[in-house]
Amino acid sequence: GQNIDQPTEMTATEGAIVQINCTYQTSGFNGLFWYQQHAGEAPTFLSYNVLDGLEEKGRFSSFLSRSKGYSYLLLKELQMKDSASYLCAVRPRGAAGNKLTFGGGTRVLVKP
Amino acid sequence: DVKVTQSSRYLVKRTGEKVFLECVQDMDHENMFWYRQDPGLGLRLIYFSYDVKMKEKGDIPEGYSVSREKKERFSLILESASTNQTSMYLCASIPQGLNQPQHFGDGTRLSIL
Repeated sequence: GQNIDQPTEMTATEGAIVQINCTYQTSGFNGLFWYQQHAGEAPTFLSYNVLDGLEEKGRFSSFLSRSKGYSYLLLKELQMKDSASYLCAVRPRGAAGNKLTFGGGTRVLVKP
Repeated sequence: DVKVTQSSRYLVKRTGEKVFLECVQDMDHENMFWYRQDPGLGLRLIYFSYDVKMKEKGDIPEGYSVSREKKERFSLILESASTNQTSMYLCASIPQGLNQPQHFGDGTRLSIL
C-alpha cells in the first residue's frame, strides 16, 4: 500500500522562505510530483523528482531522498499569489496507467 | 498546451438521480482518471482507464461506474446519487511515459440534495 504524509497548513510572510515536507511509504517508487492548487481551481504541475537531489525551477525547488522516503518543496521569495495548497504525489513502481497516489495537501497562507 | 475539459463547473442533482460527469482531453492521451477531492482527505482515485474500453477501479469505486468509448472522452457515472457523493470531482489525463505529469480539468463541484 501507499502512505503519504504532509503538514496540513503552514503560514509564512511575504518575501520569506517556506519548506513543505512530504514523507512516503510505497510498494516501489517511480517518481514524486508536486502540484500547486489555488482555491477552486485545478492542480497544476510544479516539479518531478525521480533521482535523489535538488531540482530548481526559479523560486521553487524540490528535493528528494529515496532512501529516506522524503521530499520537500522549497518556496523562496514568497509572494501573495503563492497562497495555495501544495500536493505531493507518488507514482509507485509498476503502477498501471501511470496512476499517482496523492497526499492530503498542505495549505500555505502567505501574509503581508 | 494540453486541454482537459469537464462539462460542468457546478452541478446540483437530487438523491437517487443518475448523474453523468463528462471529461474530454485533446492531446490523444492514453490514460485518464477520475478523482474526488474532499477537505482533509485530499485527492482520492475513483476509477482510471489506460485505453479505450479499458477501466480499472481506484481506491473508492463504490457507487460509481465509468465509460471510455472513445480515447478522448472519459465519463463518470453516479448510478444512484447519494448525499455523501457531494464533492469536487477532478478529471486528469496523462500520456504514456514515466516522467509525464497528470493534467487536470477545472473540476466539477457536485451537490446532491
